[in-house]
Amino acid sequence: DAGVIQSPRHEVTEMGQEVTLRCKPISGHDYLFWYRQTMMRGLELLIYFNNNVPIDDSGMPEDRFSAKMPNASFSTLKIQPSEPRDSAVYFCASRRDRYSPLHFGNGTRLTVT
Amino acid sequence: GNSVTQMEGPVTLSEEAFLTINCTYTATGYPSLFWYVQYPGEGLQLLLKATKADDKGSNKGFEATYRKETTSFHLEKGSVQVSDSAVYFCALSDLGDDKIIFGKGTRLHILP
Repeated sequence: DAGVIQSPRHEVTEMGQEVTLRCKPISGHDYLFWYRQTMMRGLELLIYFNNNVPIDDSGMPEDRFSAKMPNASFSTLKIQPSEPRDSAVYFCASRRDRYSPLHFGNGTRLTVT
Repeated sequence: GNSVTQMEGPVTLSEEAFLTINCTYTATGYPSLFWYVQYPGEGLQLLLKATKADDKGSNKGFEATYRKETTSFHLEKGSVQVSDSAVYFCALSDLGDDKIIFGKGTRLHILP
């Protein structure tokens, strides 16, 4: 079991650029979650999918953020255009079903200058 | 709605001290309760869990008991080590709910 895999581990970009974060969930897990972690706001749920379908995107900060899950083994979180206040660690997590624990990736540290 | 409240940090202890991190919850149903740990530069990892009242979850010397009467799930360890320095998150998952609700996290520093 390789765990949840995120890429890249670190991303540094300039304000206005497009950023794409990637996630491969654990095989067989029906749920995928995207979180953002900052010192000020802690851990925030952005969006989650069940069987590749977005269920709740109420945590997505604004239209600059979008997420897709084209198949069961891949998801992306895109920010376009990026702003300095988007700087944070972004985590992807998956769970087999609603009764099982979450498994987190090691995160992508995004810095927007 | 459902929520989790845990003690503010940071908590600083000397090695071999006794640890308690308080956690209380509010839930409309019968939730499962979790403690997650986050080491520097890593994602959250499940530390232990309990699925019903009076269950005790345990792992790596840590314990927490699901107390329905006090709606609490306090984390304890009898003798902490420097390697336990991390951020600890209490969390709940209510029956029938897809999401896990996290507390704000408690940073723990253990001094040698």
